[in-house]
Amino acid sequence: NAGVTQTPKFRILKIGQSMTLQCTQDMNHNYMYWYRQDPGMGLKLIYYSVGAGITDKGEVPNGYNVSRSTTEDFPLRLELAAPSQTSVYFCASNKDSSGNTIYFGEGSWLTVV
Amino acid sequence: DAKTTQPNSMESNEEEPVHLPCNHSTISGTDYIHWYRQLPSQGPEYVIHGLTSNVNNRMASLAIAEDRKSSTLILHRATLRDAAVYYCILRATLLYSGGGADGLTFGKGTHLIIQP
Repeated sequence: NAGVTQTPKFRILKIGQSMTLQCTQDMNHNYMYWYRQDPGMGLKLIYYSVGAGITDKGEVPNGYNVSRSTTEDFPLRLELAAPSQTSVYFCASNKDSSGNTIYFGEGSWLTVV
Repeated sequence: DAKTTQPNSMESNEEEPVHLPCNHSTISGTDYIHWYRQLPSQGPEYVIHGLTSNVNNRMASLAIAEDRKSSTLILHRATLRDAAVYYCILRATLLYSGGGADGLTFGKGTHLIIQP
């Protein structure tokens, strides 16, 4: 069972570079999310999507962009990387906005130097 | 999502029951109580959730107070693999309205330490 798959798992970026974190899920879930987690802290929501073609900002969207062209994929784009974006990024999905379980990927460790 | 309060850390012995408390005094009638846990260097994983009645599954039990202002996650027989950060989260049952944030709001959780 693949579930939620994120790539890459580790990446080092230089300040000002750009990159895309890929996320795909094979559960036909409508809702997808991107979170970041700084050391010793809980997760913070960056962006979310309720279906193909629909995205919305979460708590900390500045410096990021997303797109949702298909149900399966929800890439996160970092433009002009900054040291403050050094974090662990988690992609997640669930069927809808009710009490259903949210499934998380294994995380992508990003360092900006 | 309404706020929850959990102890920063708790310690227990292996093979003993563990009771992890959570206060959520501002819970609304449509909020589900979710518990997730995060093992070191992994993404969060679902443990259990409930609305009003106590819930049991193969991982744990969830005891919900009658007024719903607090709940307790119960691990019946802790193992070393249960050492993790446990998050208690409230999640409203809402339809997408085109604005605001959805998804789970994570606090710092409770760091559960299991002693062999």
